[in-house]
Amino acid sequence: RKEVEQDPGPFNVPEGATVAFNCTYSNSASQSFFWYRQDCRKEPKLLMSVYSSGNEDGRFTAQLNRASQYISLLIRDSKLSDSATYLCVVTQTGANNLFFGTGTRLTVIP
Amino acid sequence: GAGVSQTPSNKVTEKGKYVELRCDPISGHTALYWYRQSLGQGPEFLIYFQGTGAADDSGLPNDRFFAVRPEGSVSTLKIQRTERGDSAVYLCASSLMGPPVEQFFGPGTRLTVL
Repeated sequence: RKEVEQDPGPFNVPEGATVAFNCTYSNSASQSFFWYRQDCRKEPKLLMSVYSSGNEDGRFTAQLNRASQYISLLIRDSKLSDSATYLCVVTQTGANNLFFGTGTRLTVIP
Repeated sequence: GAGVSQTPSNKVTEKGKYVELRCDPISGHTALYWYRQSLGQGPEFLIYFQGTGAADDSGLPNDRFFAVRPEGSVSTLKIQRTERGDSAVYLCASSLMGPPVEQFFGPGTRLTVL
């Protein structure tokens, strides 16, 4: 079983739409949680950290449910520039690396 | 300031050859990581350096893969007797200190083994 599971999509949404991505993780000892964004043929870049209380950064809202081992990312008022792959990422206590999901591909259509 | 840089950006080689991939981390970052990303997948961990030493090489797939960081800055990932299955994007990341702080990724080296 993979450490982090995501729906690979693709998600094709019109400009202005609200879209939500979900992710589950298998290890209850997972420690820190992130969403990274990766543009085509580019490196992953940190979009936002995910906190237990939920957090918001402009049009982006991240939620964490430790009991269900579930993370979500909500994007409101989608822009064309939001088109990218969104990677769900966790760290685990005692492990040195980031564990990545396969990524969910989003295309925002004019 | 300058981000993580990787060279070459693309490398095409033949099966059985030896390749070296270079990573130049952000200045002052003590932690350095190598990941491998295959098409349609997320990056997978290979090895982590804290300073000059490999603190965790549990992600290296086999003994054909080796990495060094002799002066605690630049790192080289070395692959011997390359196989077609080694074709992927090799990403390097660095962070100011060890996990779980934010890791900054380089643009990657796209390796193609013919």
